[in-house]
Amino acid sequence: EDQVTQSPEALRLQEGESSSLNCSYTVSGLRGLFWYRQDPGKGPEFLFTLYSAGEEKEKERLKATLTKKESFLHITAPKPEDSATYLCAVQSNFGNEKLTFGTGTRLTIIP
Amino acid sequence: ETGVTQSPTHLIKTRGQQVTLRCSSQSGHNTVSWYQQALGQGPQFIFQYYREEENGRGNFPPRFSGLQFPNYSSELNVNALELDDSALYLCASSPGTGYSEAFFGQGTRLTVV
Repeated sequence: EDQVTQSPEALRLQEGESSSLNCSYTVSGLRGLFWYRQDPGKGPEFLFTLYSAGEEKEKERLKATLTKKESFLHITAPKPEDSATYLCAVQSNFGNEKLTFGTGTRLTIIP
Repeated sequence: ETGVTQSPTHLIKTRGQQVTLRCSSQSGHNTVSWYQQALGQGPQFIFQYYREEENGRGNFPPRFSGLQFPNYSSELNVNALELDDSALYLCASSPGTGYSEAFFGQGTRLTVV
């Protein structure tokens, strides 16, 4: 069974203080690893897809990286508007295109 | 290009009732998936529809059922509602081409009292 574990559960940072969020996974053949951002009471907003170990993708202050066992979401010089829950999900090569999610990291950026 | 839209946005039902939630997929997307997200948890896969056929199901009882229509919009039906069914229900659509991102709607907040 596919599993995703995210850490930490919650993270409070001062504005401008860089950090990383971790996503550890086990999957029977990785088709893709996805990062989403979710604001309270809203649906997840797509950020990145990573397909193979060594791949990296960037968007504004966010950078996602992937190894064979985990992914990191690096946030550089965050701003208060980056406060949200960040969700990691994996998709397996086998079966349908379902996503298996972690429980997320709730990020708060303090001005 | 329109995104994924869900209706209604909020709903309150009584235990034992039935509910129908609706989803319009993003233009050009033929695959729709439904997820249940309890408070403080990640979304849990309910089932997926591809070209009007169910294409996989998660660990949810048969009282959770669905439909996909020729225009690829979809419905989620839940019978005999239980208090634990209170959650945010999310619909996601994707092009259904294998390596494809899923795009989510804003969700329907269901409260069962």
